[in-house]
Amino acid sequence: TQLLEQSPQFLSIQEGENLTVYCNSSSVFSSLQWYRQEPGEGPVLLVTVVTGGEVKKLKRLTFQFGDARKDSSLHITAAQPGDTGLYLCAGVSQTGANNLFFGTGTRLTVIP
Amino acid sequence: NAGVTQTPKFQVLKTGQSMTLQCAQDMNHEYMSWYRQDPGMGLRLIHYSVGAGITDQGEVPNGYNVSRSTTEDFPLRLLSAAPSQTSVYFCASTSGLPSGNTIYFGEGSWLTVV
Repeated sequence: TQLLEQSPQFLSIQEGENLTVYCNSSSVFSSLQWYRQEPGEGPVLLVTVVTGGEVKKLKRLTFQFGDARKDSSLHITAAQPGDTGLYLCAGVSQTGANNLFFGTGTRLTVIP
Repeated sequence: NAGVTQTPKFQVLKTGQSMTLQCAQDMNHEYMSWYRQDPGMGLRLIHYSVGAGITDQGEVPNGYNVSRSTTEDFPLRLLSAAPSQTSVYFCASTSGLPSGNTIYFGEGSWLTVV
């Protein structure tokens, strides 16, 4: 099992604030993905980062892959109520069938 | 587009009963997988398949069986349900392997074992 720990587990902030979610592991991954999950639905892919040190931006969301490809962060600028949801990181294994190993999740609530 | 379809959406089982969670995808994806999601533990891989006739175990396979007789279908069987199998189950599929490809998830199946 390749464990990914996310922090914080819960986050409640006011609209307009900035936040960062962290995803850490002792394992090296070939790539790392971030998902957002709404209640009653399956996870939806936000982004995939592949190269160590890579930074990707998706509107107000900035994703970074650690240099050693063991960790990642998600930064949200000026959070909106529509950002509320469960954020999951998932590392893609370097071996076998490239299975995904999911993090423990961060539940974000943005208060209007 | 239907994407990944799971049935049933909700199910209550008694301990020891058996049941099958159905998963079907209409995207001609080779790779399909089953995850369970429990509070504070993210999603954990149960079984996966890289193509028809090929299945393999994931992180938490005990108590579950799978088969892949067609590209479209990947059912998950609980032979003798236990309360520890109370969870939300997600089926997922992708073209090729997960690395570098978008994975599509079903909407989930809520299972309660009493």
